[in-house]
Amino acid sequence: SAVISQKPSRDICQRGTSLTIQCQVDSQVTMMFWYRQQPGQSLTLIATANQGSEATYESGFVIDKFPISRPNLTFSTLTVSNLSPEDSSIYLCSAGQGSAYGYTFGSGTRLTVV
Amino acid sequence: ILNVEQSPQSLHVQEGDSTNFTCSFPSSNFYALHWYRWETAKSPEALFVMTLNGDEKKKGRISATLNTKEGYSYLYIKGSQPEDSATYLCAFLYGGSQGNLIFGKGTKLSVKP
Repeated sequence: SAVISQKPSRDICQRGTSLTIQCQVDSQVTMMFWYRQQPGQSLTLIATANQGSEATYESGFVIDKFPISRPNLTFSTLTVSNLSPEDSSIYLCSAGQGSAYGYTFGSGTRLTVV
Repeated sequence: ILNVEQSPQSLHVQEGDSTNFTCSFPSSNFYALHWYRWETAKSPEALFVMTLNGDEKKKGRISATLNTKEGYSYLYIKGSQPEDSATYLCAFLYGGSQGNLIFGKGTKLSVKP
């Protein structure tokens, strides 16, 4: 199965700034997903990123706040913009391998906004 | 609103104990149920993908069952070891094979030596 390298693993950011998270997959994948886990909550899908098209955002998430790039089949970035303390969460990227095998995840980015 | 519930929220057991967790999910529009194991600072790791009612899957000391008609799955760990300490997540695959995963909040297992 694919291996995903995600970075940074953690960061502490000032409110009002932005953080860009990168995910590199060791093989070509059609679909990549970005998730957020707020403290005490479930992993929640932010958006689905397909190469060559605009990302598809879930209800409650907007492109201005969470711009996503997917320049090729092995790489994607998520930017969390105009940071506020409520953005303090773990952010995970994932690649779909087909439902028979489960999905592969990066190791997560723990963001703290101060 | 699709909801996936996991219980208990956390569990503390002694090494050698056997344990089990529950995942409840919508019984309609079922496609698949995933179980993941997530250790701190590591990637969630897929344990099982279950698709058929009555499915039972096993991986070493860990096994899972699936009841799609009543909307629940059980994960069992036999003879827990300290290295089993992790958060166990279940996720309901919604919208077909390329659909979205709806996650529960997880069960955090701590195994004391």
